[in-house]
Amino acid sequence: GESVGLHLPTLSVQEGDNSIINCAYSNSASDYFIWYKQESGKGPQFIIDIRSNMDKRQGQRVTVLLNKTVKHLSLQIAATQPGDSAVYFCAENIKGRAGTALIFGKGTTLSVSS
Amino acid sequence: GAVVSQHPSWVICKSGTSVKIECRSLDFQATTMFWYRQFPKQSLMLMATSNEGSKATYEQGVEKDKFLINHASLTLSTLTVTSAHPEDSSFYICSADRVNGYTFGSGTRLTVV
Repeated sequence: GESVGLHLPTLSVQEGDNSIINCAYSNSASDYFIWYKQESGKGPQFIIDIRSNMDKRQGQRVTVLLNKTVKHLSLQIAATQPGDSAVYFCAENIKGRAGTALIFGKGTTLSVSS
Repeated sequence: GAVVSQHPSWVICKSGTSVKIECRSLDFQATTMFWYRQFPKQSLMLMATSNEGSKATYEQGVEKDKFLINHASLTLSTLTVTSAHPEDSSFYICSADRVNGYTFGSGTRLTVV
């Protein structure tokens, strides 16, 4: 079946750099996307979400960009900190359907060195 | 904020035994809950959708007789791994569907020896 995928499995950056994590999705019907952060042995932690009627959304130090034309999603983290080291997943959902689960991408491991 | 409590956080069991994992919504009612499984260095894979008062919907390839899901109340869903085998060792995570988003439990690390 269709699933969300990621371009890069690992990303290593220096503290203070900006990080960009990419995600490709294949379900053209998906209209709601979320980025999650997962630390070892813990459940996913919500970072930011975006609906398909938007192409950009900003949070604190994070920005999500959505390009529906090429079905691409990215997460930008400004001034990356060691505490940002974790695995990042994008997830998609067809929000118009009640009780629909999130489908997760493969994940990118972000490693921040100081 | 909305909290989903998952218990136990880790469990070790012998092959052939059954293990029950609980997922509770503490401050809201969850008509729908989802169960995921995550193997090391892999993504979360949806196992089933649990609806209060009705049978769960399982994803393709997930054995419904092995992974029993019960959602008898609006605040509790349980996943029972029956006749567990070492290959069932994994990280199991529940999630609740809310009007304004999803809330995840902290996960259960199951080790079958």
